[in-house]
Amino acid sequence: GAGVSQTPSNKVTEKGKYVELRCDPISGHTALYWYRQSLGQGPEFLIYFQGTGAADDSGLPNDRFFAVRPEGSVSTLKIQRTERGDSAVYLCASSLTVLAGNYNEQFFGPGTRLTVL
Amino acid sequence: SQQGEEDPQALSIQEGENATMNCSYKTSINNLQWYRQNSGRGLVHLILIRSNEREKHSGRLRVTLDTSKKSSSLLITASRAADTASYFCATDEGYSTLTFGKGTMLLVSP
Repeated sequence: GAGVSQTPSNKVTEKGKYVELRCDPISGHTALYWYRQSLGQGPEFLIYFQGTGAADDSGLPNDRFFAVRPEGSVSTLKIQRTERGDSAVYLCASSLTVLAGNYNEQFFGPGTRLTVL
Repeated sequence: SQQGEEDPQALSIQEGENATMNCSYKTSINNLQWYRQNSGRGLVHLILIRSNEREKHSGRLRVTLDTSKKSSSLLITASRAADTASYFCATDEGYSTLTFGKGTMLLVSP
């Protein structure tokens, strides 16, 4: 049983470019989360999916950020017109299900380190 | 936004000593969790304490929770060099996402 995987592990891009970050959750996990972690900070929530739908996207910083999960498994985080301030480690996590008020352990991937020059 | 603060920001101890990290948060929670992170990458879940619990143990880890003070502590006993990492508390407010603090960097010297 593989854990959560993320590709690429590192991505260097130039300001203004478009990037896609991929997350493969643990097989069978219906919930998928994206977090962003800046240097010296804790992870900050971006968006989470229950199945194919985005159940909560309140953490996305602006409309340059978008995420999809078309088949309820793999998810792609898309960033348009990248800015230097987008440089961070982007973490993905998955959990078996989402039950409000109940604990569902989130399993984290190794992250993608994005550097915008 | 970050929910709370860990204290201290950095902690340096010798192997065999105990390490205590504190976490404060701001809102009502469903549970509080502690995570470990090596080298700024993937987070590993250590322990969870529910809002109606006051203390929990797991191996060399002891977690306390004081909901009246909105604070938690993580104690690592008999520390080892391999415990060197960043430690984060994260609160679950019942909306299925986690809100993390800024973390404590622990350095355990042989």
